[in-house]
Amino acid sequence: GAVVSQHPSRVICKSGTSVKIECRSLDFQATTMFWYRQFPKQSLMLMATSNEGSKATYEQGVEKDKFLINHASLTLSTLTVTSAHPEDSSFYICSARAPGQGGSPLHFGNGTRLTVT
Amino acid sequence: GQNIDQPTEMTATEGAIVQINCTYQTSGFNGLFWYQQHAGEAPTFLSYNVLDGLEEKGRFSSFLSRSKGYSYLLLKELQMKDSASYLCAVRDAFGGGATNKLIFGTGTLLAVQP
Repeated sequence: GAVVSQHPSRVICKSGTSVKIECRSLDFQATTMFWYRQFPKQSLMLMATSNEGSKATYEQGVEKDKFLINHASLTLSTLTVTSAHPEDSSFYICSARAPGQGGSPLHFGNGTRLTVT
Repeated sequence: GQNIDQPTEMTATEGAIVQINCTYQTSGFNGLFWYQQHAGEAPTFLSYNVLDGLEEKGRFSSFLSRSKGYSYLLLKELQMKDSASYLCAVRDAFGGGATNKLIFGTGTLLAVQP
């Protein structure tokens, strides 16, 4: 089946530094990927839609200059959290839709647990 | 606006049947999905409904009524490993197919007891 790989799975960084998270579709091409954030005991909140070869589309309230998204190829999207603060600590999950499947469900990466100290 | 509601928590007994409800009010509709998520892990796809009616897949079934903005996930023969969060998600109808966004509900934490 469709596989989405996300790296790293866990990262701890200091306030003010930047962190890059990679999301790869391993066995299919994804022109569109989605980035979600999940706080403890809450549901997934869509942050942005990543479009290959063009600018990402951000949801209302998400700062595009803080959460930089690059989708340079059909199999790779990156999310960079710039000037991280403790309140950015969260579970970040990427997803992509494999073409041709019934209903085309999203397939999720394993997520990245970000802790900002 | 987008509003997807589920009960926050449910408890059921091993071997029993449990129904998790989901109501939604969204500006567009292009299908409803159910996902299972264990703590600290990514969600995994369970079922998909786009037309009214019941979809059955093994121990899991999902029902949709578009006119009522209502869905439920039915889990039969509950097992301890079914203890997880169950997320209802609606795909909006805007933009091209691949860019349709998936909006998640609040999630239901199911605890299966012996």
